[in-house]
Amino acid sequence: KQEVTQIPAALSVPEGENLVLNCSFTDSAIYNLQWFRQDPGKGLTSLLLIQSSQREQTSGRLNASLDKSSGRSTLYIAASQPGDSATYLCAVYEGAQKLVFGQGTRLTINP
Amino acid sequence: EADIYQTPRYLVIGTGKKITLECSQTMGHDKMYWYQQDPGMELHLIHYSYGVNSTEKGDLSSESTVSRIRTEHFPLTLESARPSHTSQYLCASSDVLGAGTEAFFGQGTRLTVV
Repeated sequence: KQEVTQIPAALSVPEGENLVLNCSFTDSAIYNLQWFRQDPGKGLTSLLLIQSSQREQTSGRLNASLDKSSGRSTLYIAASQPGDSATYLCAVYEGAQKLVFGQGTRLTINP
Repeated sequence: EADIYQTPRYLVIGTGKKITLECSQTMGHDKMYWYQQDPGMELHLIHYSYGVNSTEKGDLSSESTVSRIRTEHFPLTLESARPSHTSQYLCASSDVLGAGTEAFFGQGTRLTVV
C-alpha cells in the first residue's frame, strides 16, 4: 500500500528566505506526483504536476523535483512571502488512478 | 482556473436528517472523487467514479453513498446524519489517466451535525 510522508510537519521562516519542503513515497511505481496548497478551511489549489517521466517542473517562484527511484520529491519556494503561508500537500497517483496524500507541511512566513 | 463547484460551502444540520452534498464540474472530466478531511488532518478518499454509472468505495469506510448519472455531477448523500459525520468534504475531478493527468478540487463543504 502506497504511503506518502511529508517532512517537516510545520515550518516557520522569515520573509524572503528560500525553503524546501520534502515528500517521500514508499512505492516508486507512480504515474504522476502533484503538489497542492490548502488555505485554512478551503479546498486544494493545484501548484505543480510532475509526470513520472519528468525530473522537475517550475512555476514562478516554485520548483518541484521528482526522483522516482528514491521515492522522493521536493518543493522549492524562492524568496518566500507572507502570502505563501498555507499547508502544502503532495499526492501521488497510484495504480487505480487514486491520489494518495501526505499529511502536509504547515508553512508560516513571518513578515 | 479549475471549474469544479461544491454546494453548500457550510452546512449545520440536526442528527437524523438526510443531506446531499453537491459537486459539479464543467471540464468534462471522467474521474471524480470525494475526500473527507478532519481539521488539521490528512485527506482520506471515501468514494470515486471512473465515469457515468461507475462508483467505487475509497480507502476510508463511509456511511455516505454517491451516484454518477451525469458526467458533470457527483453528489454525495448521507441518509441519516450523525455527529460523527462532522467534517470537511472535498470533491475533485481529473481527466483520464495518462501523462499530464491533473486533479482539481472544489472549495469544500464544511458539515457540522448537531
